[in-house]
Amino acid sequence: GAVVSQHPSWVICKSGTSVKIECRSLDFQATTMFWYRQFPKQSLMLMATSNEGSKATYEQGVEKDKFLINHASLTLSTLTVTSAHPEDSSFYICSARGVRKGYEQYFGPGTRLTVT
Amino acid sequence: GQNIDQPTEMTATEGAIVQINCTYQTSGFNGLFWYQQHAGEAPTFLSYNVLDGLEEKGRFSSFLSRSKGYSYLLLKELQMKDSASYLCAVRDPEGTYKYIFGTGTRLKVLA
Repeated sequence: GAVVSQHPSWVICKSGTSVKIECRSLDFQATTMFWYRQFPKQSLMLMATSNEGSKATYEQGVEKDKFLINHASLTLSTLTVTSAHPEDSSFYICSARGVRKGYEQYFGPGTRLTVT
Repeated sequence: GQNIDQPTEMTATEGAIVQINCTYQTSGFNGLFWYQQHAGEAPTFLSYNVLDGLEEKGRFSSFLSRSKGYSYLLLKELQMKDSASYLCAVRDPEGTYKYIFGTGTRLKVLA
């Protein structure tokens, strides 16, 4: 149990376009989802926390108008990178946490974004 | 502020034992996690400590001292497949119980 999927697994887009990444909890209800970004040879940096049905909480230094997060249901959260630029190229990982699962986070497989 | 430190890189030999340290200074504490991450993949859960002491799980053990803000991950009988990054993360007890990740340690296992 506790499977989290992400789609797409990788995406290449042109500078100036927007990209949407989906994160789904497949076998549990995720009351909270987390979005991380990871640059090569670096650790995971938390971008934002989203609770179902409410606005996301962004970490300091993360532009909320650039990284739009929607958590419309208990099994789906989306991250939209708007007007993407080459410096947004990174590995984006989501994790999910459900009430019944306690406070442990379950990670998705990640999405590799390359902006050309 | 929140500070979690790990050595950047370590090298060890196949069959050996290696200890990866993690020191933390955080405003709160609700458990410490260790994850393994292979390049281009998501982190996978290894261990969890919330009380002081040693937790053993097969070839992997993790130790915690809350008074010292210190943890280590011990890997025994190293195998080539253990070459990966190892991340420690502290869970924040406030609000959403978010994780604060350490800098990560890249372990290279040599034949």
